[in-house]
Amino acid sequence: EVHLVESGGGLVQPGGSLRLSCAASGVTFSDYWIHWVRQGPGTGLEWVARINNDGSGTSYADSVRGRFTVSRDNAKNTVYLQMNSLRAEDTALYYCSTVFELWGQGTLVTVSS
Amino acid sequence: QAGLTQPPSVSKGLRQTATLTCTGSSDNVGYQGAAWLQQHQGHPPKVLSSRNNNRPSGISERFSASRSGNTASLTINGLQPEDEADYYCSAWDRSLDAVVFGGGTKVTVL
Repeated sequence: EVHLVESGGGLVQPGGSLRLSCAASGVTFSDYWIHWVRQGPGTGLEWVARINNDGSGTSYADSVRGRFTVSRDNAKNTVYLQMNSLRAEDTALYYCSTVFELWGQGTLVTVSS
Repeated sequence: QAGLTQPPSVSKGLRQTATLTCTGSSDNVGYQGAAWLQQHQGHPPKVLSSRNNNRPSGISERFSASRSGNTASLTINGLQPEDEADYYCSAWDRSLDAVVFGGGTKVTVL
């Protein structure tokens, strides 16, 4: 069975940092581009970032470019999202996903003093 | 980043048919099609239809997707109470080098 499992969420103060992880199982991980998608309280889905199969290409939403960095380690079947200079508006449930096939359960990030 | 356009809500009676629409551009929906996602309150999204309009294994045949030009559609036949959920369309946008989502359509079964 295919699983994407996110971890690393939590409560952080404005200006702080967090690193999210996404571990995959039951799938040939290196076959997929992996995306991070977030959903704020009571809002819709917002695409955050993506990384291609071998990690050589990334892209970011305007709202996070320059603050967030996505990376992957295919040997560990894991993708990371390093989030720096966090703001209150980054508060959301963060999903790891291939978007068009697979979704994780999400990890909650709360940015508050 | 510009998103896809979906009506905010659709209400239909039990066992009726609902058709949801998703309008984009030639850079996204018109380029590689749109996938449809279903999200129940408190749960992650679930893919109902891939960008080529195929249903993943386990998805009811009551859900069918299609595309005409830059507009994608999801038809839900024989509406059931468990179909009450939010439905999102998603597509790859080649000009933005990004995934774009619709704002979501809330389906209510009367």
